[in-house]
Amino acid sequence: GAGVSQSPSNKVTEKGKDVELRCDPISGHTALYWYRQSLGQGLEFLIYFQGNSAPDKSGLPSDRFSAERTGGSVSTLTIQRTQQEDSAVYLCASSLGGPSDTQYFGPGTRLTVL
Amino acid sequence: GQNIDQPTEMTATEGAIVQINCTYQTSGFNGLFWYQQHAGEAPTFLSYNVLDGLEEKGRFSSFLSRSKGYSYLLLKELQMKDSASYLCAVRDGSARQLTFGSGTQLTVLP
Repeated sequence: GAGVSQSPSNKVTEKGKDVELRCDPISGHTALYWYRQSLGQGLEFLIYFQGNSAPDKSGLPSDRFSAERTGGSVSTLTIQRTQQEDSAVYLCASSLGGPSDTQYFGPGTRLTVL
Repeated sequence: GQNIDQPTEMTATEGAIVQINCTYQTSGFNGLFWYQQHAGEAPTFLSYNVLDGLEEKGRFSSFLSRSKGYSYLLLKELQMKDSASYLCAVRDGSARQLTFGSGTQLTVLP
């Protein structure tokens, strides 16, 4: 595809349920990032994958959050036992590397936890 | 850690010029990015600065002063479609992820 795609675009869930969010990066991009954007806040880094290296999980807010990237392409962000404070837009970005290593963002998944 | 500050809101008139400022404090600087984000849409890349000076790209220019921890985004000949949030983001030299400011919501009035 031409850009980063994410699914679903919207997800409404009940507190305590698990959710999975999917990201398809731009073909050929080796780096993949997850961020979240809460209402009125800046983007907050969650996790970063680069090739086959161990991911940088330093931004994950709790052990309820996890992510994997299969085959160096598609990534899934999983939130277990969702809480109301998890409500946010979850954005995925990918990059090709290089000096600027510009990140290109997907449209995001809007998660609402009731 | 990093701290990035930018104004919350700005208003300008169609056809005018507007400058959006961003100041940052980092432990190790390795590039500054500006993104545009329309409501409900993905952030889109506007510019990248890693050396001091001005980068010009059509109606948009971005300036960086590393010694002052300061950048600005300059938008010329404003159009209604420029109404959006403008995000300043910095990369720390030791990591690849970006740290974002809270964004500046620009409203262009007719």
